[in-house]
Amino acid sequence: NAGVTQTPKFQVLKTGQSMTLQCAQDMNHEYMSWYRQDPGMGLRLIHYSVGAGITDQGEVPNGYNVSRSTTEDFPLRLLSAAPSQTSVYFCASSYSLGRPEQYFGPGTRLTVT
Amino acid sequence: AQSVTQLGSHVSVSEGALVLLRCNYSSSVPPYLFWYVQYPNQGLQLLLKYTSAATLVKGINGFEAEFKKSETSFHLTKPSAHMSDAAEYFCAVSEAGTASKLTFGTGTRLQVTL
Repeated sequence: NAGVTQTPKFQVLKTGQSMTLQCAQDMNHEYMSWYRQDPGMGLRLIHYSVGAGITDQGEVPNGYNVSRSTTEDFPLRLLSAAPSQTSVYFCASSYSLGRPEQYFGPGTRLTVT
Repeated sequence: AQSVTQLGSHVSVSEGALVLLRCNYSSSVPPYLFWYVQYPNQGLQLLLKYTSAATLVKGINGFEAEFKKSETSFHLTKPSAHMSDAAEYFCAVSEAGTASKLTFGTGTRLQVTL
């Protein structure tokens, strides 16, 4: 199993550009989430999904969209990038309510200039 | 609403000494609690979890944590630090019955010296 994979590893955007961060898992996990990590702030939840076709907002959803058309994939879209979205983005997945621990991808480091 | 407080953003110990990383949580419902470790430029790796079974939880790499409801704490310990333990450690909480919504502390960077 590859686990949770994320692409790209690094990305530089100009203010106003849009892009999609890709996330995929091959563990048949039902639950998937996106977090951003900023220095001194830990990780904060952006959006999450409890199954294909079901998504919801987390703590910091503004400026981001998600969709979950398959169990495996959970892309994160930046609609119009802003410097405040410079961060490291992590995707995570978990198997079930009985096994709630999340497994994390390697992250995408995004810089918005 | 839940929150996590990790006391000490930086902790330094000598190799072979006890490691104690503190985590206190607040939750209005029974919590699930987790410790994760992050090495430089990597993702987070699960060290251990508490999901309402045994209050003393053993994890990987010799770490363990004890859930103390009366103190709302979930401190991480290791009897003898190794140089390879140098990393950043995150405590996280979620509501029991959820599996996709973690609330993280701000992290503790552990330094291990000779």
